[in-house]
Amino acid sequence: AQSVTQLGSHVSVSEGALVLLRCNYSSSVPPYLFWYVQYPNQGLQLLLKYTSAATLVKGINGFEAEFKKSETSFHLTKPSAHMSDAAEYFCAVSDRGDSSYKLIFGSGTRLLVRP
Amino acid sequence: SAVISQKPSRDICQRGTSLTIQCQVDSQVTMMFWYRQQPGQSLTLIATANQGSEATYESGFVIDKFPISRPNLTFSTLTVSNMSPEDSSIYLCSAPRYTFGSGTRLTVV
Repeated sequence: AQSVTQLGSHVSVSEGALVLLRCNYSSSVPPYLFWYVQYPNQGLQLLLKYTSAATLVKGINGFEAEFKKSETSFHLTKPSAHMSDAAEYFCAVSDRGDSSYKLIFGSGTRLLVRP
Repeated sequence: SAVISQKPSRDICQRGTSLTIQCQVDSQVTMMFWYRQQPGQSLTLIATANQGSEATYESGFVIDKFPISRPNLTFSTLTVSNMSPEDSSIYLCSAPRYTFGSGTRLTVV
């Protein structure tokens, strides 16, 4: 069965510092991988997704993630944090061969940005 | 990607009552999904709704508690029945490709 593990329920960075949110997956076949952001009292917004051979995926708001098969990881990064990046971030996985588009989510990481 | 309109955005309900949540997609989609996000938790899939057939429920969720309708390819409803405070959550619908509605924040008192 597929699963996703997000290391660190809370991550705190200073404004302007590097953001690194960790995600590891478990899957018998290379999956589709996603990062979503949830701002307070809002729904989920897709940041980026990995569905093809391009292992470095660029998303919205300056975020990017790199798919590393050898490490079964899909960590999310941003070079310089903004105050507006403070939110909950979810990593999710979907079976590459599954056309149903069902997602399995990690437990989430709350990003705090200090002034 | 599809654009999904979900309503209500929030509601406060009395225990024992039911609430129906609606999702409208701006294009025809074969499948729609309903997720629950309990306070401080991640998202859990409740069921997959296909047009013209019964919804498929995930382990731990039953049709009597969460009946789903899918009358056409652009619309679905989820009902939370006989509510208790434990049902207080955010309920979200989703459609291909990986797009979510804005969620319904439900509080049961």
